[in-house]
Amino acid sequence: EAGVAQSPRYKIIEKRQSVAFWCNPISGHATLYWYQQILGQGPKLLIQFQNNGVVDDSQLPKDRFSAERLKGVDSTLKIQPAKLEDSAVYLCASSIGDRVFEQFFGPGTRLTVL
Amino acid sequence: GENVEQHPSTLSVQEGDSAVIKCTYSDSASNYFPWYKQELGKGPQLIIDIRSNVGEKKDQRIAVTLNKTAKHFSLHITETQPEDSAVYFCAAMGGSQGNLIFGKGTKLSVKP
Repeated sequence: EAGVAQSPRYKIIEKRQSVAFWCNPISGHATLYWYQQILGQGPKLLIQFQNNGVVDDSQLPKDRFSAERLKGVDSTLKIQPAKLEDSAVYLCASSIGDRVFEQFFGPGTRLTVL
Repeated sequence: GENVEQHPSTLSVQEGDSAVIKCTYSDSASNYFPWYKQELGKGPQLIIDIRSNVGEKKDQRIAVTLNKTAKHFSLHITETQPEDSAVYFCAAMGGSQGNLIFGKGTKLSVKP
């Protein structure tokens, strides 16, 4: 079974620039999550989708971050404009459904903002 | 909201020894407690989990125990091997926030 795919794996940008990350969840997984993992810390949830609807985006900095999951499969997370403190690994995870607890993570995208 | 504390932050053991990592949580409504292993440059990998209706769960060299009264749970790795070296995260879910709250991680080093 293929795992969660993410791209790009690495991205370096300057502050105030824009960046977008892409995620393809495990086939058949209805729930998709985006996490931010700052160096030395555990992942922190940014947004959760159930199919193509948002379940929880309470921790998403909506003034600069946006995410969408069109057609209930792939998802993109965008940052515009980026700040230095956005430097982190952005992880995508998926689960079969929101009532199934096991989450499977992708390899992440390491973002460096200079 | 939920808060998960994890200790120790670093742990070094000799190959063949046991390793124990402990976590506490604050929200008594939490009912799902997974453990993830994260190797350098990779995403977290689920290695074992436990639900609130169970006190202990084992999977080969890995075991997790849960004490709901004290609100703490632990990961036990026996007969450690160099390939067990990684960062381990505990998490809790099911409380008022309804999503996974992670600890800060434990960097385990297993010396040959």
